[in-house]
Amino acid sequence: EPEVTQTPSHQVTQMGQEVILRCVPISNHLYFYWYRQILGQKVEFLVSFYNNEISEKSEIFDDQFSVERPDGSNFTLKIRSTKLEDSAMYFCASSEGGRIREFGPGTRLTVT
Amino acid sequence: AQSVAQPEDQVNVAEGNPLTVKCTYSVSGNPYLFWYVQYPNRGLQFLLKYITGDNLVKGSYGFEAEFNKSQTSFHLKKPSALVSDSALYFCAVREGRDDKIIFGKGTRLHILP
Repeated sequence: EPEVTQTPSHQVTQMGQEVILRCVPISNHLYFYWYRQILGQKVEFLVSFYNNEISEKSEIFDDQFSVERPDGSNFTLKIRSTKLEDSAMYFCASSEGGRIREFGPGTRLTVT
Repeated sequence: AQSVAQPEDQVNVAEGNPLTVKCTYSVSGNPYLFWYVQYPNRGLQFLLKYITGDNLVKGSYGFEAEFNKSQTSFHLKKPSALVSDSALYFCAVREGRDDKIIFGKGTRLHILP
């Protein structure tokens, strides 16, 4: 059964550094999403992406964040200058028609 | 704005007993409701959804949920709990034209052997 995959599983970075989190959505899916979960807190929506552009973003998704679909398979989340409070588990998700999300296993980002 | 509430931070159930994880929702139109499970060090896994139709929805791993419009609830249930059901459970509601999902804060389920 096809799955959403994410790399790396764990990323440690220093404050102020740029990080890129990578996701490979399910191949026939058209909608892509990033969510995050700060340890012990609820899962929060970051951004949705469709037809090669951002369709919706949350307040969390400020100018430090960007998303890109650089080729036909990858979907990336870039954090330009990481802050301590960016430490979280980041989940990529995709859907075919928007009703059911297939989530990836997550990337744990630790900012030191 | 649409939202879901999970009133319990943690639920403890003895193995073999029935379990219920509560969720209530607030929407302006027809709700699209979901349950997800997160096992330790794992991602989010889809359990079941309610879009329309039968109020009792059956999902993965023997779970089911009952949509109750009058009580605006979508409680997750299982007739007989297993220790392996211990995990973090999230109720969620769909919002907006882009199908953004809004999650509840999660309920940690402990099944006691």
